[in-house]
Amino acid sequence: DIVLTQFPGTLSLSPGERATLSCRASQSVGSTFLAWYQQKPGQAPRLLIYGASSRATGIPDRFSGSGSATDFTLTISRLEPEDFAVYYCQQYDTSPWTFGHGTKVEIK
Amino acid sequence: DVQLVQSGADVKKPGESLKISCKGSGYSFTKYWIAWVRQMPGKGLEWMGIIYPGDSDTRYSPSFQGQVTISADKSISTAYLQWSSLKASDTAMYYCARPRSNWHDAFDLWGLGTMVTVSS
Repeated sequence: DIVLTQFPGTLSLSPGERATLSCRASQSVGSTFLAWYQQKPGQAPRLLIYGASSRATGIPDRFSGSGSATDFTLTISRLEPEDFAVYYCQQYDTSPWTFGHGTKVEIK
Repeated sequence: DVQLVQSGADVKKPGESLKISCKGSGYSFTKYWIAWVRQMPGKGLEWMGIIYPGDSDTRYSPSFQGQVTISADKSISTAYLQWSSLKASDTAMYYCARPRSNWHDAFDLWGLGTMVTVSS
């Protein structure tokens, strides 16, 4: 299975700051097949980014994704209060699809 | 509205069987795959498997193969996840999710989840 390692585990930031979340794959992932999700407590995950860099419908442009092969990044340009949540990366290139263990973005 | 509506929370004893459901509405149910994703308490997301309701083509994660059964009834636009003999370690939130297009795609539509608690 492809193992996705997300770091840092927790990111403590203030509203208005920039957040940079990383996802590293144990083997190369086609960039078409990497997604990012946001999950808030008690809610289902929400798709933010697919294909490594394409924003899903209705996602604000402060969210952006980049990367290729084994290294991918989710950037939130300026954190809004509603952005404090857990973020997961997912690969859907090689079955079984796998998720990273998540990065929690918390209010500093 | 395009949505996936999941069955309600359930509490079972070890060894009991269970079938939870996920009903799609607002779109052509037979033309999109439906996946199941597990989230154990306080933990991350795990892809369990996926089914194409149009022809019931089903793929399982090796971690879940033989442990659960995924099925679908296209006549009522509903996918299912079932266990024949639950264990305490099956306690988790279970989400159904729909990929954007084919099965090689990100999940852009999620159900609200079904909480399954297995306890003696």
